[in-house]
Amino acid sequence: EVQLVESGGGLVQPGGSLRLSCAASGFTFSGYWTHWVRQAPGKGLVWVSRIDNSGRTTNYADSVKGRFTISRDNAKNTLYLQLNSLRDDDTAVYYCARGAGATSGSHILDYWGQGVLVTVSS
Amino acid sequence: QTVVTQEPSVTVSPGGTVTLTCASTTGTVTSGHYPNWFQQKPGQPPTSLIYSTKNKHSWTPARFSGSLLGGKAALTLSGVQPEDEADYYCLLFYGGNWVFGGGTKLTVL
Repeated sequence: EVQLVESGGGLVQPGGSLRLSCAASGFTFSGYWTHWVRQAPGKGLVWVSRIDNSGRTTNYADSVKGRFTISRDNAKNTLYLQLNSLRDDDTAVYYCARGAGATSGSHILDYWGQGVLVTVSS
Repeated sequence: QTVVTQEPSVTVSPGGTVTLTCASTTGTVTSGHYPNWFQQKPGQPPTSLIYSTKNKHSWTPARFSGSLLGGKAALTLSGVQPEDEADYYCLLFYGGNWVFGGGTKLTVL
């Protein structure tokens, strides 16, 4: 069974930093792209970032570029998101999602974690 | 800045058919945007329903279908069930980055 479990959320002051983790199991983690998606309270989904299966290629939404960094440790089956220079409008539930298989050619976000809440407030 | 637009809210009767759409400010939505559709119920993470325009997962109910319609991506629900009441989001691919639509709140009444 594919499972994604996020952790590392919490309350942080504006300008602060946080690192989110996403532990993957039930599939060959090193064979898949993975994404971060966020959702502010009562609002819609916003795509944040993705990383290829090797960790060499990354993409970011303009709203987080230069502040957030996505990375992965395939040996630990874990995805990360480093959040720096946090702002009030970064307050959201952050989800990790499994993307396409490295050789599949598809464009998909098929399995999602339960999400972790990040609250930015003084 | 690319914006993806969906109907904010739609109401449908049980057993009816409804089509939700997904438009892009960049122009016509094509298969090259690899449209994805997600369902989200309150307090739950999203569930993937459709990927690459029309492909279903093993868990996607048969009453859901995806297509391209009039320059937009479309999600059609045929024979709507009460449990289909939820928020629906489309997601489009723009050469490395992805953009979600604002979501459609589907009410079954």
